Amino acid sequence: NAGVTQTPKFRVLKTGQSMTLLCAQDMNHEYMYWYRQDPGMGLRLIHYSVGEGTTAKGEVPDGYNVSRLKKQNFLLGLESAAPSQTSVYFCASSYKRVSEHTQYFGPGTRLTVL
Amino acid sequence: SQQGEEDPQALSIQEGENATMNCSYKTSINNLQWYRQNSGRGLVHLILIRSNEREKHSGRLRVTLDTSKKSSSLLITASRAADTASYFCATDESNFNKFYFGSGTKLNVKP
Repeated sequence: NAGVTQTPKFRVLKTGQSMTLLCAQDMNHEYMYWYRQDPGMGLRLIHYSVGEGTTAKGEVPDGYNVSRLKKQNFLLGLESAAPSQTSVYFCASSYKRVSEHTQYFGPGTRLTVL
Repeated sequence: SQQGEEDPQALSIQEGENATMNCSYKTSINNLQWYRQNSGRGLVHLILIRSNEREKHSGRLRVTLDTSKKSSSLLITASRAADTASYFCATDESNFNKFYFGSGTKLNVKP
């Protein structure tokens, strides 16, 4: 039981490049989330999903797209990376509604955009 | 934005002392949760307190919630060096589907 895993752990991009971050969970959770964390700050919600095939916008969705084709996977895409997207990205999942259930976090992906 | 705010931003104490962190939020909530983040790691859930609860305990952790003041506190008793981490509160905006995290309290427990 690996919990929540994220791929890759580190990545350096040049401005304008694209990439996809993969989040996988093996706990059969319905809800999945993508957050970003900037230095000295808390987490800000980018997008989330309440079930396979569904996605919704969070606080800071601009510049990102997501897909949830399979229940266990949640992909975060950057179509044209910008230096402002340099951050640590965390994926999380929860069994049901996050307000009432524990969120389980992945180890994070550290992204630098030059 | 609903985002909670923790106070203080940083706290340094000796091992064995108690640590108290506060969280304030802006609008009504259903529940509030506290999380811990060790340096360079993902967050780990500590405790959930519902809006109709005033106090909750879990081991050395004690959480209080005052909905009239829109605030919560996390008390860690008899702190240990291993408690060194950042602590975040997370609130929903009466929206069961998503959280808003505060900026965190960075706790340093000196051995």
